[in-house]
Amino acid sequence: EAGVAQSPRYKIIEKRQSVAFWCNPISGHATLYWYQQILGQGPKLLIQFQNNGVVDDSQLPKDRFSAERLKGVDSTLKIQPAKLEDSAVYLCASSLGDHSGSARKTQYFGPGTRLLVL
Amino acid sequence: AQTVTQSQPEMSVQEAETVTLSCTYDTSESDYYLFWYKQPPSRQMILVIRQEAYKQQNATENRFSVNFQKAAKSFSLKISDSQLGDAAMYFCAYRTQGGSEKLVFGKGTKLTVNP
Repeated sequence: EAGVAQSPRYKIIEKRQSVAFWCNPISGHATLYWYQQILGQGPKLLIQFQNNGVVDDSQLPKDRFSAERLKGVDSTLKIQPAKLEDSAVYLCASSLGDHSGSARKTQYFGPGTRLLVL
Repeated sequence: AQTVTQSQPEMSVQEAETVTLSCTYDTSESDYYLFWYKQPPSRQMILVIRQEAYKQQNATENRFSVNFQKAAKSFSLKISDSQLGDAAMYFCAYRTQGGSEKLVFGKGTKLTVNP
C-alpha cells in the first residue's frame, strides 16, 4: 500500500513570495491533515479535512495561508505572501476517519516539505 | 486546552540496553488516545505505539512498551534492547475522542544510541 505522498520535498523562497505544497493521502483515507513543524517543536495542526469539507482550521493563519481539497482526495496548501517565520516542515497526514474504532483513525504521515523563507 | 509535556529534551542509551522516555499531559476528558511517534532525520513521522485511555492494560509492540498511568496523566515509553536504528526524535501525542481529533504533540525527546 502506497503511503502519503508530498511534493516538493524542499523549497527555498524569498519573503513575500508565494508557495504551494501538494499532498496525496493514502487511498481510501477520508480525513486529511496539514501540520506545521517549526524547528525544535512538535507539529501543530493547521487544517483538517473530512472528505472535501473543513473540520478544523482554527490555527490556520487565514490572512496568508489557504488550503483546499476539492475532490476529497489530494490537497494543496498555499502561503501568500510568505514570512520568515513560515520556515518550517509542512507535514501532511491522513486517516480512514470513520467511527468504527481507534485503529482506523490512526494518522499516517507523509515525508514532509521543508520550507526555507529567506 | 490539552497540553503535552516532554521534560527530557535529550536522552542517550547504550546499544542493547533499555531507556525510558517520559511524557505527561493535561486534559479534562476521560476518553482519549495517546501515541508515541518516531521522527528520524528524514522527518517522516512513524507511529511507534498507541494507547486507548479506557484500556488499563499497557500497550506493547515488540521492543516498545508504555507505562500508562491515567490518574497521574503520565505516558512513558520504554525501549528495550536498544538498536542503532532507534536513534531519532520521539514525540508523545494526545488525541481527543470526537471533535476534530487532531493530534497535540509534545516538543520531543532526541534519543541517541551509542554503540
